[in-house]
Amino acid sequence: DAGVTQSPTHLIKTRGQQVTLRCSPKSGHDTVSWYQQALGQGPQFIFQYYEEEERQRGNFPDRFSGHQFPNYSSELNVNALLLGDSALYLCASTSMGSEGDTQYFGPGTRLTVL
Amino acid sequence: GQNIDQPTEMTATEGAIVQINCTYQTSGFNGLFWYQQHAGEAPTFLSYNVLDGLEEKGRFSSFLSRSKGYSYLLLKELQMKDSASYLCARSPQTGANNLFFGTGTRLTVIP
Repeated sequence: DAGVTQSPTHLIKTRGQQVTLRCSPKSGHDTVSWYQQALGQGPQFIFQYYEEEERQRGNFPDRFSGHQFPNYSSELNVNALLLGDSALYLCASTSMGSEGDTQYFGPGTRLTVL
Repeated sequence: GQNIDQPTEMTATEGAIVQINCTYQTSGFNGLFWYQQHAGEAPTFLSYNVLDGLEEKGRFSSFLSRSKGYSYLLLKELQMKDSASYLCARSPQTGANNLFFGTGTRLTVIP
């Protein structure tokens, strides 16, 4: 039973560039959430996708956008990168309506913006 | 904000018991999660509390008091591999399962 997978593992970009991160949810899960984790901090909620639509959004600017595909996988896009976007980006999946809605996290993508 | 507070760092001895506390904003609260995160790795699920009381899972137990906005994670028979960050997170309402995390408690287990 495959867990949550993310790609790439690491990424280096320069300011102003755009980046796309990818996530495949755990088998049987239909909901994907994205989080940003700065060094020494807890994860911060970016947004959540269910049925190919953005269902909830945290306090992040419009430079952060996403997509969910029919197979439930998801992408996170960040435009006009800033130095402050350097962080670990975590994808978490769950099954909407499951007990406790427990979210299971992928290994993350470490983004460095120079 | 979501006002989740937990200690930044704790140190405990191998074989001992440690309690990590978490307080949170009670309005719009559904449930309380604890995750373990080793350095450079993803958070892994430890426990979920939605009702008051103690939930026990092997060496780990988690307690919740909804009226007090308080939870703790209890780790027994500490092992060196328990050195990690422990993240307290709340879900805001049923069906809205985005999580609001605290900054985490970095636990160091010493011999």
